[in-house]
Amino acid sequence: QTVVTQEPSFSVSPGGTVTLTCGLSSGSVSTTYYPSWYQQTPGQAPRTLIYSTNTRSSGVPDRFSGSILGNKAALTITGAQADDESDYYCVLYMGSASWVFGGGTKLTVL
Amino acid sequence: EVQLLESGGGFVQPGGSLRLSCAASGFTFTNYAMRWVRQAPGKGLEWVSTIGSGATTYYADSVKGRFSISRDNAKDTVYLQMNSLRAEDTAVYYCAKGSSPGLYYFDYWGQGTLVTVSS
Repeated sequence: QTVVTQEPSFSVSPGGTVTLTCGLSSGSVSTTYYPSWYQQTPGQAPRTLIYSTNTRSSGVPDRFSGSILGNKAALTITGAQADDESDYYCVLYMGSASWVFGGGTKLTVL
Repeated sequence: EVQLLESGGGFVQPGGSLRLSCAASGFTFTNYAMRWVRQAPGKGLEWVSTIGSGATTYYADSVKGRFSISRDNAKDTVYLQMNSLRAEDTAVYYCAKGSSPGLYYFDYWGQGTLVTVSS
């Protein structure tokens, strides 16, 4: 069974830079998994941030960026703001119209 | 503006059934796959099911054989028929618009509808 791994929690200072990662329990994440990232605040629906590894969704500020770092997908937030405090989920496309989400990272800005 | 409005959630006993609906607007419904994603209380997101623009269906192993996805292109609506419900199906169910072909992501999300399975 494929498991997508994310850091359970992370903290960043206001104005700071943080990189969240998305890995596989077995193997490396590459662009062929079409990694995408979603932001979710409590009680709200997810918001699409990044798709196809590094393409920002419409309206997403350019301080959010996606990449492949080593064997993982990564979401970098540059110049973190208070309202970036959210849960962040990555999801990988496994083929045959199926996806596996990571467990999410709770980001604290303090 | 893309809008997705889920309905049909509620309280059901184990073994029961429920049908969720998702009414879409703001895009050409027939051109896109539609998906359901769920989130158990305090937990992460889980892909549940997809229906392609041509009505081909796909399911997560956790719901295969119990859930059925369908679409009515005349009503711009996608459905999720959930049978043999279990306590572990308790979750907020989100409808999501599929991305353009070849991009493989969840484009827009509805606000979700809560399904509670309990005796």
